[in-house]
Amino acid sequence: GAVVSQHPSRVICKSGTSVKIECRSLDFQATTMFWYRQFPKKSLMLMATSNEGSKATYEQGVEKDKFLINHASLTLSTLTVTSAHPEDSSFYICSARYPYNSPLHFGNGTRLTVT
Amino acid sequence: AQTVTQSQPEMSVQEAETVTLSCTYDTSENNYYLFWYKQPPSRQMILVIRQEAYKQQNATENRFSVNFQKAAKSFSLKISDSQLGDTAMYFCAFRSNSGGSNYKLTFGKGTLLTVNP
Repeated sequence: GAVVSQHPSRVICKSGTSVKIECRSLDFQATTMFWYRQFPKKSLMLMATSNEGSKATYEQGVEKDKFLINHASLTLSTLTVTSAHPEDSSFYICSARYPYNSPLHFGNGTRLTVT
Repeated sequence: AQTVTQSQPEMSVQEAETVTLSCTYDTSENNYYLFWYKQPPSRQMILVIRQEAYKQQNATENRFSVNFQKAAKSFSLKISDSQLGDTAMYFCAFRSNSGGSNYKLTFGKGTLLTVNP
């Protein structure tokens, strides 16, 4: 089946630094990937839609300069949290769209802690 | 915009019994998909079952089945013969099938299901 790999699974960084999270589709080409944020015991909030070869589409209220998304190839999308602050600490999950009308496949998520 | 509502923040069930999780949604579209995802403590999102709106027959996957009422915009999940491994957060999700939607999912707030031994 379709596999999505997300790396790293956990990261701790200091306030003011930047962190990059990778999302890879391992056995299929994903023209579209999605980035979600999840607070403890809460639902997934869509942050942005990442399309290969074009600029990401951000949801309302998400700072595009803060959360940089790059989708340079059909198998890789990256989310960079720039100048991280403690309030950016959260669980970030990516998902990839398998071709045509299939359900989304999710990565295992990344727990980001900013100290 | 679509909304998905799960009115039960938490539920519990005894092992081997049956439980039903509720989900309602609001949309003006006619062509869409509905999903139930499971998120165990590992936080991996696992697809449980999906339903295509144009299909009248309710989807089933082993012990999991749905009751899809399109007119009422209701999409409940029934888990039969509950197992301890079913303990997880369950999310109902909506996805438009129109080209402009980009196939993004809208999630409900989730229901935390605990299966007791």
